[in-house]
Amino acid sequence: AQSVSQHNHHVILSEAASLELGCNYSYGGTVNLFWYVQYPGQHLQLLLKYFSGDPLVKGIKGFEAEFIKSKFSFNLRKPSVQWSDTAEYFCAVNEDNFNKFYFGSGTKLNVKP
Amino acid sequence: NAGVTQTPKFQVLKTGQSMTLQCAQDMNHEYMSWYRQDPGMGLRLIHYSVGAGITDQGEVPNGYNVSRSTTEDFPLRLLSAAPSQTSVYFCASSYSSGDNEQFFGPGTRLTVL
Repeated sequence: AQSVSQHNHHVILSEAASLELGCNYSYGGTVNLFWYVQYPGQHLQLLLKYFSGDPLVKGIKGFEAEFIKSKFSFNLRKPSVQWSDTAEYFCAVNEDNFNKFYFGSGTKLNVKP
Repeated sequence: NAGVTQTPKFQVLKTGQSMTLQCAQDMNHEYMSWYRQDPGMGLRLIHYSVGAGITDQGEVPNGYNVSRSTTEDFPLRLLSAAPSQTSVYFCASSYSSGDNEQFFGPGTRLTVL
């Protein structure tokens, strides 16, 4: 089965700091990759996704992620975080357009004002 | 559009009791799924459906049952609740699987005593 690893379980940053959250997956074939965010008290929502083309994808709220196939990675970045980015972030993978999605364990980001 | 709705929001059960978690969507999505979210483990897929009358197992299906008689509804049944099923349950829907964004419901927090 697919495994998705998010090595940073809890990250604390000050406002304006840069952010990079790691995501690695195990499947060697074609993948669709996602980052979802769960703000306190809200539903999970999509930040961005990659399925083909340019490996650098841009999402909402200034987030971007880079797909590096050779490293099986899809790291999430933001140049300057805000207090409102405090949330839990989940990486997810779908392999070969099959019907199952695999999520990482999540990273809780706490941004200090 | 209401999006994805789930009821109830909270539920406490005794070991051995059965219950049904309700999920409905009004976006005419073919793909629907159930996840459970446990601390440090992210979201794990319980069951999914690619259309009315079609369901299949995810990563952690044991102890749960689903059916999909209409496009809109995808209930999750706990046959005989166990403390290990204490979790937060999320329903999600999307146009199809693969590279499509999933829309999540607000979740049901279930405690089994």
